[in-house]
Amino acid sequence: DIVMTQSPDSLPVSLGERATINCKSSQSVLSSSDNKNFLSWYQQRPGQPPKLLIYWASTRESGVPERFSASGSETDFTLTISSLQAEDVAVYYCQQYYSFPCTFGQGTRLEIK
Amino acid sequence: QVQLQQWGAGLLRPSETLSLTCNMSGGSFSGYFWSWIRQPPGKGLEWIGEISHSGFTNSNPSLKSRLTISIDTSKRQFSLRLNSVTAADTAIYYCARAAVMVRGLTPTPGWFAPWGQGTLVTVSS
Repeated sequence: DIVMTQSPDSLPVSLGERATINCKSSQSVLSSSDNKNFLSWYQQRPGQPPKLLIYWASTRESGVPERFSASGSETDFTLTISSLQAEDVAVYYCQQYYSFPCTFGQGTRLEIK
Repeated sequence: QVQLQQWGAGLLRPSETLSLTCNMSGGSFSGYFWSWIRQPPGKGLEWIGEISHSGFTNSNPSLKSRLTISIDTSKRQFSLRLNSVTAADTAIYYCARAAVMVRGLTPTPGWFAPWGQGTLVTVSS
């Protein structure tokens, strides 16, 4: 199975500041045939199910605020929140769907500093 | 928009069978996988398995021997059964709709959206 490793485990950020979460896969999730990275990002607020933010590594899901962006390719990916809002406090997960079975990172807890 | 509502028994004894059902409203079963994902308390996410509208299933190899996923499109429901549970199966179980990826001989799950509200299943003697 592909192992997804996120860093940091916990990230304190001040309101209005930028937050950056990293995700590294144990092997490339880039499909050479269609040049797509098979990676998604989720937000899980306390007591809630995960919510899809990003798929194909950088495509924002409908309704997701523009302050959320993502980038990366092959094995290294980043989720960025440009200006942290109070409602962004959550655990964030990356997921690869390149290889079966799909696997998730361990999560990064984003908190207000 | 698609909404998923799930239910099932929340407390089981070791060796019993976990049984959960998810009702889908607001969309069509066709063109997606209908999945189950679990999350042990305070921990990360593990994909369990999925089913298509035609009954094609994929299962996590780590759970495949104990797993049954079924679908009843007339009732707009899909279900999970996991037998011979142990304390290690204690988790919040989510149903979710998955995008379908076709890269090899068989389709596999992509990203998951939306998700059900989750059901906490505790296995304890």
